[in-house]
Amino acid sequence: GDSVTQMEGPVTLSEEAFLTINCTYTATGYPSLFWYVQYPGEGLQLLLKATKADDKGSNKGFEATYRKETTSFHLEKGSVQVSDSAVYFCALSDPRSGYSTLTFGKGTMLLVSP
Amino acid sequence: EPEVTQTPSHQVTQMGQEVILRCVPISNHLYFYWYRQILGQKVEFLVSFYNNEISEKSEIFDDQFSVERPDGSNFTLKIRSTKLEDSAMYFCASSADPLETQYFGPGTRLLVL
Repeated sequence: GDSVTQMEGPVTLSEEAFLTINCTYTATGYPSLFWYVQYPGEGLQLLLKATKADDKGSNKGFEATYRKETTSFHLEKGSVQVSDSAVYFCALSDPRSGYSTLTFGKGTMLLVSP
Repeated sequence: EPEVTQTPSHQVTQMGQEVILRCVPISNHLYFYWYRQILGQKVEFLVSFYNNEISEKSEIFDDQFSVERPDGSNFTLKIRSTKLEDSAMYFCASSADPLETQYFGPGTRLLVL
């Protein structure tokens, strides 16, 4: 079945450092790919998404490119801020399920210090 | 900005007891979902619901689980006879359309003793 694997956390960075959180997926079809973020005490919020190969999703300085050849959707940000501290979830939705089911990775905690 | 809300934020219950987790989806959304995350594990899909029917469910969603939209605003998940392994964070989500973004609530942390 479909699955998502993302790097273990926590990822600890200083403010203004470059961020990469790796995400790879396994799917038989052509899924849509997502990054969700969960700030402390809040729900999962969609950060960005990409629906086809070579699409780049971007939001709030974060970017991720849908790479079909490497089945990856790595999250990057050029300069992180303390306010970016959160748990980041990579996810996919499968057209076979009508896109209604999200398959998530385990989540990666990011801690940014001043 | 409209948001999905969930109550309670935390619930502790004894094994074998019934619990009802409540969600208020975004008001104009028609598709509703429950997910759960056992501590240290992945967020897992449980069930999707549309037009007062379950549209899809996972293997986890067995006979001890049920969902209901009892009125025009609430969407509930009932666990009939809780087990220790039901301890998890339960997330509700809603969307306007199955192809659209799912908006998540803050979750209910359930602890079964």
